[in-house]
Amino acid sequence: DIQMTQSPSTLSASVGDRVAITCRASQSISSWLAWYQQKPGKVPKLLIYEASSLESGVPSRFSGSGYGTEFTLTISSLQPDDSASYYCQHYNSFPLSFGGGTKVEIK
Amino acid sequence: EAQLVESGGGVVQPGRSLRLTCAGSGFNFVDYAVSWVRQAPGRGLEWLGLVRSRTYGGTVEYAASVKGRFTISRHDSESLAFLQMNSLKTEDTAMYYCVRGLTIPGAKYWFDPWGQGTLVTVSS
Repeated sequence: DIQMTQSPSTLSASVGDRVAITCRASQSISSWLAWYQQKPGKVPKLLIYEASSLESGVPSRFSGSGYGTEFTLTISSLQPDDSASYYCQHYNSFPLSFGGGTKVEIK
Repeated sequence: EAQLVESGGGVVQPGRSLRLTCAGSGFNFVDYAVSWVRQAPGRGLEWLGLVRSRTYGGTVEYAASVKGRFTISRHDSESLAFLQMNSLKTEDTAMYYCVRGLTIPGAKYWFDPWGQGTLVTVSS
């Protein structure tokens, strides 16, 4: 089974900062990776699929990169609305799995 | 707009069973896979299983943690999917989400949209 490890688990940054979240897979998953955002008390929302494809309607300050075992979700200019938890998910093979999550806080 | 709505959650005693229902609307339900994901209070997301669309055989995959206890099925004529949970344990307490599986071309699945979730509490 493929394990997904996210870092950091918590991140605190100021409005306007560039923020990066890392997701590492225990074996190669090509580009079969998605990122989700979950605001407090809300349902997860798809941000990015296939490692770098931005879902329709998602602000362009979000971007994804990576291939193989290491991936990054970047927020180019952090906004107050970005306060949330972020999860990666691999879909290379079954069983599917999520990373443990990264909580992004605004200073 | 594609939408999924879960129902059937509640409080159940350990060892008992519960069936969750997921109703899809706003899209051609028969053409999509459906998956179940849960989130224990204050914890992360855990994938439970997925039922493929009829186009891809309607077969089911499960996470090891629930295989043999949970069963996923679908009833396409009514745009419904189900999660049958047996021998429930206190550690099954969580919000249960139904999600639509997006795929290229039937073997890789990511999820959108997510239902609002239904809460299952396993307690004596």
